[in-house]
Amino acid sequence: DGGITQSPKYLFRKEGQNVTLSCEQNLNHDAMYWYRQDPGQGLRLIYYSQIVNDFQKGDIAEGYSVSREKKESFPLTVTSAQKNPTAFYLCASIQPGPSYEQYFGPGTRLTVT
Amino acid sequence: QKEVEQNSGPLSVPEGAIASLNCTYSDRGSQSFFWYRQYSGKSPELIMSIYSNGDKEDGRFTAQLNKASQYVSLLIRDSQPSDSATYLCAVRNTGFQKLVFGTGTRLLVSP
Repeated sequence: DGGITQSPKYLFRKEGQNVTLSCEQNLNHDAMYWYRQDPGQGLRLIYYSQIVNDFQKGDIAEGYSVSREKKESFPLTVTSAQKNPTAFYLCASIQPGPSYEQYFGPGTRLTVT
Repeated sequence: QKEVEQNSGPLSVPEGAIASLNCTYSDRGSQSFFWYRQYSGKSPELIMSIYSNGDKEDGRFTAQLNKASQYVSLLIRDSQPSDSATYLCAVRNTGFQKLVFGTGTRLLVSP
């Protein structure tokens, strides 16, 4: 099955710990994205990557880091510097071509206490 | 002014009625427009995309685009309780592979 996988579905951490969220896709998509969604708010872009070994900050990159060593993988690390890390994190990728249709993974719900 | 605006709702319609969801955008050069459905606790699911002025139909869904008025809408015919969800409008801005999302409209379809 082709698609985007995120693991784990639920993640609990203590304040002050770094945590890495996994995102893998087998769709052969070049561009990948990380969003954060908070209750009652829209999707906010954290980081994106158009090609391997290259990525750019989105609108709310502070306290987050990413890597793109393989086309299939785009992990997101939530560092202890992120002030309000509890949120629903969504990974997405874009189908190449004129349509640029974006597809999402199932998400990871992170709770930091 | 927000880049992509949607009424947060909730929009309540009875089963079998037509639900009309609206979205306006500020970037006149926007090229592509998308509607996503998001059930509570789940990730967004792409249901419609539209690139040209006019209507695009897919089953019970019709997307309408008016670039002159910077307006895109989604019509859901014969609404079902299973259509109850939040609908996100997304716009691809000029020159880049990045989508800008509205905050979504919550739709409630009552039996």
